[in-house]
Amino acid sequence: GESVGLHLPTLSVQEGDNSIINCAYSNSASDYFIWYKQESGKGPQFIIDIRSNMDKRQGQRVTVLLNKTVKHLSLQIAATQPGDSAVYFCAELLGGGADGLTFGKGTHLIIQP
Amino acid sequence: GAVVSQHPSRVICKSGTSVKIECRSLDFQATTMFWYRQFPKQSLMLMATSNEGSKATYEQGVEKDKFLINHASLTLSTLTVTSAHPEDSSFYICSAAVTGSETQYFGPGTRLLVL
Repeated sequence: GESVGLHLPTLSVQEGDNSIINCAYSNSASDYFIWYKQESGKGPQFIIDIRSNMDKRQGQRVTVLLNKTVKHLSLQIAATQPGDSAVYFCAELLGGGADGLTFGKGTHLIIQP
Repeated sequence: GAVVSQHPSRVICKSGTSVKIECRSLDFQATTMFWYRQFPKQSLMLMATSNEGSKATYEQGVEKDKFLINHASLTLSTLTVTSAHPEDSSFYICSAAVTGSETQYFGPGTRLLVL
């Protein structure tokens, strides 16, 4: 896990603009990465995942980029909508399905009308 | 599909009492369930891995005698916070993995407030 005790970084974008949320992961041996969206008072909601043998994966309005050289993940959200306002976490998994996830710090995305 | 529920959604208890939180996979069987804790404005931290029919595996720094985990069936895991204290107040979230899959489905969380 990441360090604790810090407020979440905040990203504020205008409705309709694209947003990019970044994440640095910790374990170079991790081979599965997931982005989650968490709304206030709720559990994390799966957005998109990517395996370490890929650099890019696209979903509906979302794209995840993986740079293994610098251990960096990014989540791009196209044409942001008010409902995209939430906290976004990246998570990494070593692999095999038997391990829990290691979550990044999170970013609070605010969509301005 | 792949719905995970938690009960209760929120609980307030007095210091020194024990609280049980249930995590259920509603439409799939989960050999493995995970328990996470999240303090305000912080990330989720893995507490323990719960395996059906065997003892849970706890992360470093998590007291197994304080956070009792029971995974008696393929659809139910329980977390009991024993002798709860105000510092145990947190958002407890479980997740369940379909057998053989890496995908984890999260429950809605349980807000615990210890007075």
